Amino acid sequence: GQQVMQIPQYQHVQEGEDFTTYCNSSTTLSNIQWYKQRPGGHPVFLIQLVKSGEVKKQKRLTFQFGEAKKNSSLHITATQTTDVGTYFCAGRDYGQNFVFGPGTRLSVLP
Amino acid sequence: DARVTQTPRHKVTEMGQEVTMRCQPILGHNTVFWYRQTMMQGLELLAYFRNRAPLDDSGMPKDRFSAEMPDATLATLKIQPSEPRDSAVYFCASGFPDEQYFGPGTRLTVT
Repeated sequence: GQQVMQIPQYQHVQEGEDFTTYCNSSTTLSNIQWYKQRPGGHPVFLIQLVKSGEVKKQKRLTFQFGEAKKNSSLHITATQTTDVGTYFCAGRDYGQNFVFGPGTRLSVLP
Repeated sequence: DARVTQTPRHKVTEMGQEVTMRCQPILGHNTVFWYRQTMMQGLELLAYFRNRAPLDDSGMPKDRFSAEMPDATLATLKIQPSEPRDSAVYFCASGFPDEQYFGPGTRLTVT
């Protein structure tokens, strides 16, 4: 079945450093979404990517969808303590199967 | 400010009891998802509906779990009988179709 992996599983950074998490699917995706979950909270929708090679930016966050639509990345420039949380990718394949990745937990040291 | 609502927010019950969790999706959203989150297993997709029809419930233990959408404003997840291993936070999310907006969750403890 469809599988989505995320690397790294955990990342500790110093405030001000950059951070990147990668999402890799075993199958081609029709779309991909990214979510952020703060400790004790619920996942919050960040963005959806649909087109091959698509790049979207939200302030310090840059999201990319790979050319083959099987991988994606989220890059945060100059992390802040407010970026702490777990970042999930999720996606649907062309067979209408939907799956969430296991997440990357980000810690930011002040 | 439209939000997904879930009730109850917390539930403590004894093993063997029936548990029903309710979700009110955002008006106009046509997909509803149920997830379970634990420290060990992370976020697991249990089931999802589109236009009130179940599309995928392969993540759900069929013998004890059931999910329904009696109408467009209500989704339910029922566990009968509950077991200690069902202790988790259960999230409902609604979307149009795949941008999902999560509710605050129901924290279930089965003793």
